[in-house]
Amino acid sequence: QVQVVESGGGLVKPGGSLRLSCSGSGFIFRDYFMTWIRQAPGKGLEWVSFISSASGFKNHAESVKGRFSISRDNARNSVFLQMDNVRVEDTAVYYCGRVVGRRGYHRIDSWGQGIMVTVSS
Amino acid sequence: FVLTQPPSVSVAPGTTATITCTGNILESESVHWYQQRPGQAPNLVLFEDTARPSGIPERFSGSKSANTATLSITRVEAGDEADFYCQVWHTPSDRMLFGGGTKLTVL
Repeated sequence: QVQVVESGGGLVKPGGSLRLSCSGSGFIFRDYFMTWIRQAPGKGLEWVSFISSASGFKNHAESVKGRFSISRDNARNSVFLQMDNVRVEDTAVYYCGRVVGRRGYHRIDSWGQGIMVTVSS
Repeated sequence: FVLTQPPSVSVAPGTTATITCTGNILESESVHWYQQRPGQAPNLVLFEDTARPSGIPERFSGSKSANTATLSITRVEAGDEADFYCQVWHTPSDRMLFGGGTKLTVL
């Protein structure tokens, strides 16, 4: 069955770096766009980053632009989120998701279980 | 661009819950809905305004008119208690946008 699994979370100091990984299985990974979504404790969902199937297009939320970078390795069925210069407000559960639907209708049909990132000194 | 949802909706078991999502962006973009039970990842329950993914009960339905989208749940059960989020893809900027979420409480 379709599955996405995040890894790499943990505790990081403000200004530090962290790299999240997401592994996909049960589907042809290279055919799908992928995305990262986060959820701060007790808060709602916030879109973070998006990458097209062959990495030709990427986009990031304004709140992380210039600090976070999404990438993927289709040979390893993986997508990554490089988080640099992290801030306390980046503390959240980070979800990886598989994107389906044509442009304008993109939605997430499969989510990982989420991984916690805590930014604290 | 903002999607506005009521923070909470409370209904009795067996009745109908209605959750709205309002925003000018809805006049031009399709809406999708997710259910997030406590401690779990979100799950897609409706897409492209009215369509249900396989495995989602017929009790879940959607509609959209002008700048308001509505998720309706008929014959509400205790297991439906969750947070619900609407979502659109803003085509001109290629960004995903979520509503603030609505906590559904089954009394």
